Amino acid sequence: DIVMTQSPLSLSVTPGEPASISCRSSQSLLHSNGFDYLDWYLLRPGQSPQLLISFGSRRASGVPDRFSGSGSGTDFTLKIGRVEADDVGFYYCMQALQTPTFGGGTKVELK
Amino acid sequence: QVLLQESGPGLLTPSETLSLTCTVPDDSIRTSYWSWVRQSAGKGLEWIGRVFAGGKSDYNPSLKSRVTMSLDTSKNHFFLTLRSVTAADAAVYYCARVYGSGYDSFYGMDVWGQGTAVIVSS
Repeated sequence: DIVMTQSPLSLSVTPGEPASISCRSSQSLLHSNGFDYLDWYLLRPGQSPQLLISFGSRRASGVPDRFSGSGSGTDFTLKIGRVEADDVGFYYCMQALQTPTFGGGTKVELK
Repeated sequence: QVLLQESGPGLLTPSETLSLTCTVPDDSIRTSYWSWVRQSAGKGLEWIGRVFAGGKSDYNPSLKSRVTMSLDTSKNHFFLTLRSVTAADAAVYYCARVYGSGYDSFYGMDVWGQGTAVIVSS
């Protein structure tokens, strides 16, 4: 299995300030087609999980442009340009190069 | 926005079989892959498997011996069956639509249900 490791475990952010979450995989997620098979998801309490980013950097439909994904190979980052109240929740990275596996999650809360 | 809805029993006793249904609101059930994912306190998020209307399916190797997924396109439903449950199978179970097409690769999920909680207790 590909092991996904996220950091930090939790993040307390002042509204309007930026935030960054790191995700590292135990193997490269770069497919032979040139795409990194890495997604980011947001789980808000009591709501359906939401796809934020696919293929490492492709913002999903309806996702605000304050969310951005970067990285390639084994190291990836999700950045929130200016955190808003609606961004509170648990963020997960997931690899889909092989049988999908998720990172342990990062809790984002407001200061 | 496609909305998915999970349904099934919330409480099982050990060794029973878990059967969940996901309702898809339109005919996209015929043209997409569909997945089940669960979230438990002990193991975080876990991909269970995927199924396609053509009958193809893939399962997480850790659950493969106990899992079956299927669809009923006439009712816009797809299903999860997990046999011989134990306390380790207690989780919130989500159904979701896979955003990619093609059997040669895995892809993530772009539309999800709200999840249904399953408790396993004697």
